Amino acid sequence: DVKVTQSSRYLVKRTGEKVFLECVQDMDHENMFWYRQDPGLGLRLIYFSYDVKMKEKGDIPEGYSVSREKKERFSLILESASTNQTSMYLCASSWRGYEKLFFGSGTQLSVL
Amino acid sequence: GIQVEQSPPDLILQEGANSTLRCNFSDSVNNLQWFHQNPWGQLINLFYIPSGTKQNGRLSATTVATERYSLLYISSSQTTDSGVYFCAVEFARGSSNTGKLIFGQGTTLQVKP
Repeated sequence: DVKVTQSSRYLVKRTGEKVFLECVQDMDHENMFWYRQDPGLGLRLIYFSYDVKMKEKGDIPEGYSVSREKKERFSLILESASTNQTSMYLCASSWRGYEKLFFGSGTQLSVL
Repeated sequence: GIQVEQSPPDLILQEGANSTLRCNFSDSVNNLQWFHQNPWGQLINLFYIPSGTKQNGRLSATTVATERYSLLYISSSQTTDSGVYFCAVEFARGSSNTGKLIFGQGTTLQVKP
């Protein structure tokens, strides 16, 4: 079975802190994604990566950056956390664009 | 306009009942997937189904690409089927098969014992 692991289930940070969310997949997938999920707004794509060191902006990249130094690991970085970044963050991966997408269990981030 | 529209938004069933969830999309797609988000927030991939019909146990799905809709059927529902069901698509126009999915707003299903 595919396993997508997110480093923290719950995280509480202060406004202005730099925040790292880590995601690791164990199936040698090419593509990795970061979504955020908010009530009433559904799932929205922040960034995705289709190869090591490659990244593309999704629909809501403002305030975020990403890093993919190794194929199995995709990190989401909040350079200076703000309260409007309080959300559920979901990492996902797929082998290629036309394959099934698999999600991690999510990180509920609260920025106070 | 709305790109991926799911109906109904909410559904309450008695255990053992059958149900049909619908997903309409505004343009041709090269990728369509159905997901179930359980009450603990985990998203499980149910089907990759840009066209045709697939079955997996009590669940089946049909996508009629020419008419721009997909249906998810749940038969003999159980309380463990409760949660939110999402349809997600990648539109074919201007796409390079990146796997970037656009999600519908979901159907919230509650199955009562």
